[in-house]
Amino acid sequence: DIQMTQSPSSLSASIGDRVTITCRASQSISTFLSWYQEKPGQAPKLLIFAASSLQTGVPSRFSGSGSGTDFTLTISSLQPEDFATYYCQQSYSVPRTFGQGTNLEIK
Amino acid sequence: EVQLVESGGGLVQPGGSLRLSCAASGFTFSAYWMHWVRQEPGKGLVWVSRVSADGSTTTYADSVQGRFTISRDNANNTVFLQMNSLRAEDTAVYNCAREVTGIGRSLDYWGQGTLVTVSS
Repeated sequence: DIQMTQSPSSLSASIGDRVTITCRASQSISTFLSWYQEKPGQAPKLLIFAASSLQTGVPSRFSGSGSGTDFTLTISSLQPEDFATYYCQQSYSVPRTFGQGTNLEIK
Repeated sequence: EVQLVESGGGLVQPGGSLRLSCAASGFTFSAYWMHWVRQEPGKGLVWVSRVSADGSTTTYADSVQGRFTISRDNANNTVFLQMNSLRAEDTAVYNCAREVTGIGRSLDYWGQGTLVTVSS
C-alpha cells in the first residue's frame, strides 16, 4: 500500500497568512493526488485534483503543486472560512490512501 | 444538482450486520465509479471500497476484505455496502462518494454520511 504522510498535523495561522501543507507519498504517484477540505458536520469537499488542477467553484487562493512523491497545497491569503481540516489522497492505486489530515486553526 | 444521501446506519452488536445505502441523484449514475470512505470519531478519512460503473469490478481495503460487500443498482441509482461480522473498530461515519471521470480519479461529490456504531 502507498503511505501518504502530511505535515504539519496541525497549524495555527492568522487571517491573511500564506499557508502551505505538504504531502509525501511512499512511492511515486505521478500526479494522482487530490486535496480535500473538511469542516465539522459537513461532507469533505474536493479542492484540487491531478495535483494542481483547481476544482470548479474553489477560490483561486487555493493552489496545488508537485509530482512523483512530494506535493503541496497552498492557501495564498487565509480567509475565515478556510479554517478546517485538509486531507491529501492518492488515486494512483488501490487502496486509495489518505494522509492523516492537517487541522488548520485560527491563531 | 448532484446529491448523495446515505442511510442504514445505526447501533449493532459485535458480529452483527448492517446494509448501508447511498441514493444518488442529479447525474448519470451508471457512468460513474462509486466509493465508500469512513471516518472514526475524531480521526481521519479511511478509504473502504469502490465499485465500477457497471458493478463488475469491486475493490476493498484489507481491513474489510471478506466482511464487507459493495454493490450497486443502476436502475435505482443506489450503491450499497453490506457489512457483516462487524467489529468495534468498524464504528465510524460512512460516506459514499463519486469518482470523477477523466483525469485525476478524485472524489468530487460526497454524501453527508451515516453513523455506524458497533457496541454491545
